[in-house]
Amino acid sequence: DTGVSQDPRHKITKRGQNVTFRCDPISEHNRLYWYRQTLGQGPEFLTYFQNEAQLEKSRLLSDRFSAERPKGSFSTLEIQRTEQGDSAMYLCASSRTSPGAFFGPGTRLTVL
Amino acid sequence: DAKTTQPTSMDCAEGRAANLPCNHSTISGNEYVYWYRQIHSQGPQYIIHGLKNNETNEMASLIITEDRKSSTLILPHATLRDTAVYYCIVLMDSSYKLIFGSGTRLLVRP
Repeated sequence: DTGVSQDPRHKITKRGQNVTFRCDPISEHNRLYWYRQTLGQGPEFLTYFQNEAQLEKSRLLSDRFSAERPKGSFSTLEIQRTEQGDSAMYLCASSRTSPGAFFGPGTRLTVL
Repeated sequence: DAKTTQPTSMDCAEGRAANLPCNHSTISGNEYVYWYRQIHSQGPQYIIHGLKNNETNEMASLIITEDRKSSTLILPHATLRDTAVYYCIVLMDSSYKLIFGSGTRLLVRP
C-alpha cells in the first residue's frame, strides 16, 4: 500500500500521560500536515511541514503538543500531559506541491 | 481563502445521481474549488478539484458556474458506499492549509 499510514490506529491513555503518534507520508511527498477532528466536526489544521521544516503551527497546538519531521520523511506528533479535551481523531496528510492532500486513516485518541 | 456554504444533509436513492451544491460567492480568480469526502471513521478522501472549467474523473464530475460563485459535485450513479460527509473547500494553489467546514452529510438510500 502506498498511501499515508498512521500508527497506532487507536490509543487509550489516562489523563496526564504522554502519547506519541507516527505518520508515514506517501513517498516523495515533501509536504506533511497534521489535523485534529472531534466528533461531528470537520478536521482542523494543526501544523504543516515542508520537508523537515515546520512552517506553521495553529493556535490549537498548545505547548503540550510538539510535532517533528526530522529527516523530511515520517513525522511524529507528541502530546504531553494529556487532558480529556485532547480526545479526538488525529489525521495526517501529505502532498507534493498542490494543496490536494492525501489523508491517512487517522489515530483515534481517547483520554480517560 | 473564500468561505463556502453547503446544505447540512441530503439524500438520494441508490443508482441515481447525487448532486451536491456548494456556494462560494466570495471566491477570487486564483482560488480553486476542492471536494473531499469522509466516510465514517476514515480519513478524508480527495475527490476532485477545478478552477474554471468543468472537471470529470472516475469518481465524480465537478460543475462550476460561469461566474464561479457556486459549484456542484455530481456522483453519477450513487451507491451505498457513497454515504459520507462531503466537503467543499476553496483555496489558492499556493495555499497548503485545507479549511474544512461542516460539509454535507449524504445518505444514499437502498
